[in-house]
This record gives sequence, structure tokens and C-alpha cells, in this order.
Amino acid sequence: GQNIDQPTEMTATEGAIVQINCTYQTSGFNGLFWYQQHAGEAPTFLSYNVLDGLEEKGRFSSFLSRSKGYSYLLLKELQMKDSASYLCALRGTNAGKSTFGDGTTLTVKP
Amino acid sequence: DGGITQSPKYLFRKEGQNVTLSCEQNLNHDAMYWYRQDPGQGLRLIYYSQIVNDFQKGDIAEGYSVSREKKESFPLTVTSAQKNPTAFYLCASRGNRDRLNYGYTFGSGTRLTVV
Repeated sequence: GQNIDQPTEMTATEGAIVQINCTYQTSGFNGLFWYQQHAGEAPTFLSYNVLDGLEEKGRFSSFLSRSKGYSYLLLKELQMKDSASYLCALRGTNAGKSTFGDGTTLTVKP
Repeated sequence: DGGITQSPKYLFRKEGQNVTLSCEQNLNHDAMYWYRQDPGQGLRLIYYSQIVNDFQKGDIAEGYSVSREKKESFPLTVTSAQKNPTAFYLCASRGNRDRLNYGYTFGSGTRLTVV
């Protein structure tokens, strides 16, 4: 099976930088996703890491270390609209199925 | 524009009643998935289908059924055997070989409530 851990809640200030961590235990996976989900809405795709290292996409970056079972999502220059839940998910080796963590609810304050 | 359409947005079910949630996509994706989300939790996989006329149980399939008669459509039926069906249901599809978009595309969801 797969087990994914994320902090339940985080708070940060507008304009600041925040790092959301995700640790996991798994027997194997193809890659790791990060999704953003605003309250009452569907998740939207942010990033996908297959290899170790940092992938940067605008204000968002995602890092993966397979040997440490660890990933993080880095959000820079925080904006109020970044207040949302951030879901870490492992893409399994079978049929493209993904297993999701419970998500981290980020609140950005002025 | 291509996307996934789920309907209805809100659905109320009476005890002992079966209800069907619609999911239609025009993205030409082969793989489709149904997830359930409870408050404060992540998504849990109910059923998935990799190709027309084939589908597999996910982690919490009991009390649910699906069909995949057309590539575009993957309806989910919540049966009376599902004892706690109140949740947010999300349908998703996945592109085939596009490295840039290995993530799911989600529908806007159906919020089901038992009354």
C-alpha cells in the first residue's frame, strides 16, 4: 500500500514564501503530483515530478527526493488567491491510478 | 473547449434509493476515474476504466457500480448498499502520452447528500 503525510493546515503572509511538505511510504510509484483545490471546487494540476530534483513553474516549484520519500511544494510571492488546499498524490505503477494525501489547507493573510 | 462535464452539481438521495452521477468528457482520453472526497480528506478511488467496456474496482468500490459503454461517458451509480454516500464525487480523466499533462483533468464535481 501507500501512505502519504502532509500537514493539515498552514498560514502565511501575502508576499511571503511557503513550503508545503509531503512524506510518503510506498513500494513503488511512477511520479508525484501536486494539485491545488479551492474550497468546493475540483483539484487542478500544478506539477508532476518523476526524477529527483526541483521543477520550477512560475511562482510554484516542486521538489522530489525518492531516496528520502519526500517532496515539497514551494510557493513564492504569495497572493490571497493562493489560499486553498494543496494535495500531494502518488501516481502508481498500475493503470495510472493516483493515491492522494489528505491535503494541506493554506491560508494567506494580508 | 475540451473538458469533463459532471451533472448534476448537487444531488439529494433518499434512504434506499439508487442514484446515477453523470460524467462526460470530450478530451479523447482513454482512462477515466471516479473519486470520493469527504470533508477535510483527500480523494479515495472508487472505480476506474482504462478502455471502453472495461473497468476495475478501486479502494472503496462497495455500494457503487459503473459502466463504460462509450469512450466519452463513465456514469457512477450509488446504490442503496452504500451506507454513507454523503460526499463530494469527482470524475477525472487522464491523457495518454503527453509528458506535460500526466495529471488528471477533473470535472467540477457532484455533491451528494442523503436526506
